[in-house]
Amino acid sequence: ILNVEQSPQSLHVQEGDSTNFTCSFPSSNFYALHWYRWETAKSPEALFVMTLNGDEKKKGRISATLNTKEGYSYLYIKGSQPEDSATYLCATHSGAGSYQLTFGKGTKLSVIP
Amino acid sequence: NAGVTQTPKFRILKIGQSMTLQCAQDMNHNYMYWYRQDPGMGLKLIYYSVGAGITDKGEVPNGYNVSRSTTEDFPLRLELAAPSQTSVYFCASTLGLAGINTGELFFGEGSRLTVL
Repeated sequence: ILNVEQSPQSLHVQEGDSTNFTCSFPSSNFYALHWYRWETAKSPEALFVMTLNGDEKKKGRISATLNTKEGYSYLYIKGSQPEDSATYLCATHSGAGSYQLTFGKGTKLSVIP
Repeated sequence: NAGVTQTPKFRILKIGQSMTLQCAQDMNHNYMYWYRQDPGMGLKLIYYSVGAGITDKGEVPNGYNVSRSTTEDFPLRLELAAPSQTSVYFCASTLGLAGINTGELFFGEGSRLTVL
C-alpha cells in the first residue's frame, strides 16, 4: 500500500490570497500523479494528471508542478475565491503501468470572503 | 451523456443483510473502481477492474465482492452488512493513460450506506 501524504490537512485563506499545498508520494516506480477537486456534497472532479518530471500544468488560476525524483507535487491557487473552497485530493498509481490508484487524505481549503 | 451512474443514492441496512451497489458507465472505459470515503480518511480503494472479466483487490476488500461481466457495469456486493461498512461509496472509471488519453477518473455521485 502506497503512502500518499498531503499537507496541510486544512487551511483558511482570505479571498484574494494565493495559496499552495503539497502532495508527497514514493518516488520509486512512479507512473502518474492525479489532482482532484472535491466540493462538499459533490463528486471529485479531475484537475490534472501529470506524468513527467518537471511537468507544470495550469487551469485558470490553478496550477500544479511535479517532481518525480523527490516524490512531491505542489498545487497552487492564485487569488483564491470563495468558489475555490473544496477539498483537494492527490492520488498516484501503485507502480509503473498499474491502475491501482491510492489517494491522500486531502487538503481542505476554506476561502473567507 | 450519463457518465458514471450509481444506485441507490441512499440505503439503510440492518446488520447481516446483503445488498448490491450498482455502477454503470457509458464511456467505454476499461478501468473501473470502487472507493469508500470515511470522515478524515480520504478515499480507500475497495476493488478495481482493468476490463471485463478481470477484478482485483484494493486496500480494503474484506466484506465486499465485485464482478465485471460487461465493460459497462461494475456492481459491488456486501454479503453480511456490518456497522463498519457504514460509509459513502464512490464508483469511478477511466480510459487510462495510453496514447492520447489523459487518465483522469470520472466519479459517480456516491451512495450513502448506513448499517444499523
